[in-house]
Amino acid sequence: EAQVTQNPRYLITVTGKKLTVTCSQNMNHEYMSWYRQDPGLGLRQIYYSMNVEVTDKGDVPEGYKVSRKEKRNFPLILESPSPNQTSLYFCASSWGRGPSRLNTEAFFGQGTRLTVV
Amino acid sequence: KQEVTQIPAALSVPEGENLVLNCSFTDSAIYNLQWFRQDPGKGLTSLLLIQSSQREQTSGRLNASLDKSSGRSTLYIAASQPGDSATYLCAVRVTEYGNKLVFGAGTILRVKS
Repeated sequence: EAQVTQNPRYLITVTGKKLTVTCSQNMNHEYMSWYRQDPGLGLRQIYYSMNVEVTDKGDVPEGYKVSRKEKRNFPLILESPSPNQTSLYFCASSWGRGPSRLNTEAFFGQGTRLTVV
Repeated sequence: KQEVTQIPAALSVPEGENLVLNCSFTDSAIYNLQWFRQDPGKGLTSLLLIQSSQREQTSGRLNASLDKSSGRSTLYIAASQPGDSATYLCAVRVTEYGNKLVFGAGTILRVKS
């Protein structure tokens, strides 16, 4: 079954304690990205990756890091979480690299609800 | 900068009614448009994908249309059911800015039995 898997689903942490949210896809997709969803602000892109070792900032990258060492995995790292990073996070994947492949469906993980106190 | 607007923000209808959700976008330079469903506190479920060269897509009771030149899409739900109650999100994949998805704020749908 084609899927994007995020872990953990729920996380409560304290300010400043480094954390990693994992994301893995089994579709051999090139393009992966992270979004956060906040009430009144909708979904906004944090970082994206066009392929292994190729990452770039999205709309709201401050306070986040990512890495893409393998095609299937795209972890989101919060080095020093703060309360304003409390949000619902989604990882997504799709084909990329060229218009015909970008014209395909994006798949989303089930989300990670993060609370930073 | 691409902006996506969804109207109405919320909709409450009796069971069995046909309904239309609207999505508009400001820049016609898109690869595709995708409609999602989101249940409270849950992930996004893809409903329909329309490529920029297509006019509509159908899946069961759902039909989505796309008019790229006017920057509009509609999601038509036939014979609505209480199980259709959810938030419906429209997103366009842009040809710039890292080819990201730009989302609307969503329409919260409640179907009353």
